[in-house]
Amino acid sequence: GNSVTQMEGPVTLSEEAFLTINCTYTATGYPSLFWYVQYPGEGLQLLLKATKADDKGSNKGFEATYRKETTSFHLEKGSVQVSDSAVYFCALSGAEGAGSYQLTFGKGTKLSVIP
Amino acid sequence: GAGVSQSPRYKVAKRGQDVALRCDPISGHVSLFWYQQALGQGPEFLTYFQNEAQLDKSGLPSDRFFAERPEGSVSTLKIQRTQQEDSAVYLCASSLGAEKVGYTFGSGTRLTVV
Repeated sequence: GNSVTQMEGPVTLSEEAFLTINCTYTATGYPSLFWYVQYPGEGLQLLLKATKADDKGSNKGFEATYRKETTSFHLEKGSVQVSDSAVYFCALSGAEGAGSYQLTFGKGTKLSVIP
Repeated sequence: GAGVSQSPRYKVAKRGQDVALRCDPISGHVSLFWYQQALGQGPEFLTYFQNEAQLDKSGLPSDRFFAERPEGSVSTLKIQRTQQEDSAVYLCASSLGAEKVGYTFGSGTRLTVV
């Protein structure tokens, strides 16, 4: 079945540091890949997505590239801010059948950015 | 409404009690999903509705869990005879169609079974 593995946290960075959160996946066919963010006390928000190999998703300074050869979708940001402190989830949905509407999530990575 | 609304935000139940969790999706959204998020874990799929039809309930962990969406709008997730392992955040999401992108999640209901 489908699965997502992302680096364990917590991750603590100083403001303006470079961020990488690793994410790898297992899926048949060509899944769509997502990063969701969960701020304290709020619901999950879609941060960015990529639907085919070599696509780059980007939003709010965050980027992730769909790498089929390494089955990865690592999240990066060049300069983090205190307001980026949140839990980040990597997720996929499959190409067909039940997997096409179900999201499979990683366990989440908590990011804390200190001034 | 502007977003997906869930109520209550917090629920404490004694073991063995029945609970009902409500989800108001975005108006006009055809698809509705329930996910369960245990502490320190990612959300896990429970069930999927398209309008009033429950098309997939494969993620419901036991027959104590029941979901309905009788008029194709508001949905209720019911848990009978709650157990401690049911403690989790229950997330509802809706989308305009059955497409895999475009989910909007609610803030969730945190259920604690004591």
